[in-house]
Amino acid sequence: KQEVTQIPAALSVPEGENLVLNCSFTDSAIYNLQWFRQDPGKGLTSLLLIQSSQREQTSGRLNASLDKSSGRSTLYIAASQPGDSATYLCAVRPDSWGKLQFGAGTQVVVTP
Amino acid sequence: DTAVSQTPKYLVTQMGNDKSIKCEQNLGHDTMYWYKQDSKKFLKIMFSYNNKELIINETVPNRFSPKSPDKAHLNLHINSLELGDSAVYFCASSRHQETQYFGPGTRLLVL
Repeated sequence: KQEVTQIPAALSVPEGENLVLNCSFTDSAIYNLQWFRQDPGKGLTSLLLIQSSQREQTSGRLNASLDKSSGRSTLYIAASQPGDSATYLCAVRPDSWGKLQFGAGTQVVVTP
Repeated sequence: DTAVSQTPKYLVTQMGNDKSIKCEQNLGHDTMYWYKQDSKKFLKIMFSYNNKELIINETVPNRFSPKSPDKAHLNLHINSLELGDSAVYFCASSRHQETQYFGPGTRLLVL
């Protein structure tokens, strides 16, 4: 059974620092992995999707890496801003028709 | 130009009532989902439809029944509501099994 873990559960950094968010999964046989952002009281916004054949994806200040063999993905956010404050969730899909399995999320606070 | 919309945004009701939540997407996606986010913020899939056909049906009570009248809509009907049904329900859609786009959520409170 796939288990997705995100550590730490919460993180607070001063503005300008780089953020490193970790996601680990127990079964390396995945189809893809997706990173989301959730603002309080809002829905989820997709940030990056990495296919199982890819090692990383980049979008602006965001970079996500994937190491299937070790069951890990890392989301890097460069030069953090207060607007980056949110909960970040990772989710893995086991196969093309399988369900997304979510981690519990990392709550990030960026202080001015 | 809302991509995935849900109605209502808030729903407060008494135990035992029957209620429906509606979801619509205008992205031309062929797959739609219902998720439940509990008080601990953990997100779990409930159902998934592809081209109006049910493809994922997690272990949820029979009181929950999804209905997909067409590819752009996926509604969720809940019978005999219980206290434990209180949660935030999210609808999502995707093209095939790629990036999922989420609605704003429906906050259900059962009293």
